[in-house]
Amino acid sequence: QQQVKQSPQSLIVQKGGISIINCAYENTAFDYFPWYQQFPGKGPALLIAIRPDVSEKKEGRFTISFNKSAKQFSLHIMDSQPGDSATYFCAAGFSGYSTLTFGKGTMLLVSP
Amino acid sequence: KAGVTQTPRYLIKTRGQQVTLSCSPISGHRSVSWYQQTPGQGLQFLFEYFSETQRNKGNFPGRFSGRQFSNSRSEMNVSTLELGDSALYLCASSGTTGTDTQYFGPGTRLTVL
Repeated sequence: QQQVKQSPQSLIVQKGGISIINCAYENTAFDYFPWYQQFPGKGPALLIAIRPDVSEKKEGRFTISFNKSAKQFSLHIMDSQPGDSATYFCAAGFSGYSTLTFGKGTMLLVSP
Repeated sequence: KAGVTQTPRYLIKTRGQQVTLSCSPISGHRSVSWYQQTPGQGLQFLFEYFSETQRNKGNFPGRFSGRQFSNSRSEMNVSTLELGDSALYLCASSGTTGTDTQYFGPGTRLTVL
């Protein structure tokens, strides 16, 4: 079964704090794990992605941590800013294929 | 490069009608995928086209169909619309070798009355 479970559904973080969103997957054949950010009225935009051969990937304030044995991965947003307020989706897919299975999203609100 | 464009941005239809949505991928991209986004179900994969061929299909009824043209532009059609088809329909394109990064358009908001 190709499911990706995402939590929490919503998250409120103070400016400067750390936002953490978690995802778990079932299909061990997945080998590509992107995170997308979506603002109201816009389509999702790729934020950062990881493959299972590494346990962590960092790009600026955004870090993905990946735990292959637990079949879990998470997004950490350091020094969260009000401009980070958006809906975040984790996803899983297969290298070379465009089909992605998405989590149900997390609405992040960063309070000033 | 221009991004993925989708037309129209908003549509209102009544039950039983049919609708056609259009997507123009990023120049040079040959893969186009369609997703349905609803508050309850999130983003769900509809189908993917690559070089005018449907390469993958999600778990949606046959009322949902699509096609891709030689210039990689894609259309999706929904026949016999139901209230539950109200959603944001997103199109995403990716590169020539089936690379994994998908670039999404702004979507078409379909409301079925």
